[in-house]
Amino acid sequence: SAVISQKPSRDICQRGTSLTIQCQVDSQVTMMFWYRQQPGQSLTLIATANQGSEATYESGFVIDKFPISRPNLTFSTLTVSNMSPEDSSIYLCSVGPRGQGEQYFGPGTRLTVT
Amino acid sequence: AQRVTQPEKLLSVFKGAPVELKCNYSYSGSPELFWYVQYSRQRLQLLLRHISRESIKGFTADLNKGETSFHLKKPFAQEEDSAMYYCALRGIAGNTPLVFGKGTRLSVIA
Repeated sequence: SAVISQKPSRDICQRGTSLTIQCQVDSQVTMMFWYRQQPGQSLTLIATANQGSEATYESGFVIDKFPISRPNLTFSTLTVSNMSPEDSSIYLCSVGPRGQGEQYFGPGTRLTVT
Repeated sequence: AQRVTQPEKLLSVFKGAPVELKCNYSYSGSPELFWYVQYSRQRLQLLLRHISRESIKGFTADLNKGETSFHLKKPFAQEEDSAMYYCALRGIAGNTPLVFGKGTRLSVIA
């Protein structure tokens, strides 16, 4: 299994500012994913972050808005840049399976943009 | 294109009644199907996966490739089953991220 922690757990930010969310895993993992869960909605994949390569973004998400770092096999950050109220969401870090194993999720970061 | 459809946003049942949460999918290839659950104030966690063919907390789900469905069932609902349930899929080879349905909120009424 994998235990994932995220910081901060929640934040209230002003429009136009940026927030960096940290994700720490208790074991080395190759694949990390960032999801967004907007109010009342399902989880939408933002990007896949593998160590040693550029993050791969899903349609509708761009690096300038959501830059990601993956400096080692246990840590990643997601920055939400130039925030607007539409960015108010829960942001979840997830680590991928080894082969056909389970995908695990962090507790999420609840972001409110005013 | 890969897609997971959960047609019901909210499902309310009485305690002791049977439960069926519907999930249909679209995937070009061989998918692996999952049910994840999120209880109030807890993180998302795996409930069951089709390749395990297990019964977890009394829940079962059978992959029907002909109908492209993976419905979640439980014969007798309990109050502690109240939660948000997400159906998800990925390619059978693994190493790809899960794609989620919109979720169904199950409310079990005493």
